[in-house]
Amino acid sequence: QVQLVESGGGVVQPGRSLRLSCAASGLTFNNAAMHWVRQAPGKGLEWVAIISYDGGVKLYAESVKGRFTISRDNSKDTVFLQMSSLTVEDTGVYYCGSRRVAESPIWDHWGQGTLVRVSS
Amino acid sequence: SYELTQPTSVSVSPGQTAIITCSGDALSKTFGYWYQKKPGQAPLLIIYKDNERPSGIPERFSGSSSGTTVTLTISGVQAEDEADYYCQSADTSGRAWVFAGGTKVTVL
Repeated sequence: QVQLVESGGGVVQPGRSLRLSCAASGLTFNNAAMHWVRQAPGKGLEWVAIISYDGGVKLYAESVKGRFTISRDNSKDTVFLQMSSLTVEDTGVYYCGSRRVAESPIWDHWGQGTLVRVSS
Repeated sequence: SYELTQPTSVSVSPGQTAIITCSGDALSKTFGYWYQKKPGQAPLLIIYKDNERPSGIPERFSGSSSGTTVTLTISGVQAEDEADYYCQSADTSGRAWVFAGGTKVTVL
């Protein structure tokens, strides 16, 4: 059974940094692209970033480009999201996920999310 | 920046059909995906590659695509289908993800 467990959320002041982690189990991690998606309170889903299975490709939403960095450690089956220069607009629940639909087996897995609150 | 557009809300009586459209220029070149999102839960993929349904998703959920629009149809809506539904695709580069604003489906 696949599990994705996010951690690292919390309350942080504007302008500060925070690092989120997402630990995977039951997943062929080194063969899985990983992404982060967030949801601000009362708002819709917003894609944040994606990293390829080997870390060679990293893509970001315009709203976080230059401030957030996605990375992974395949030896620890963990993906990270380093967030800096945080603003109140970054407040929300951050979900990590993995989706594969190009070939069998198909999968789409998500964690339960970690809450980030940016507040002074 | 690239955007996907879907209605903010749809109301439907139990047993009726809910139809949600999502439009975006790149949808003629990229696949559309649909997620169901309930409060306090992780997103759930219900349609991938325009019209494929993952195992475990009820047959009442179906997807289609035409030109720059993808459509989610929920046939025989049940009370448990009340949720927010999000269309997702790739931007014009074909690689970065984009979500539409979401449609709240209310079962009357």
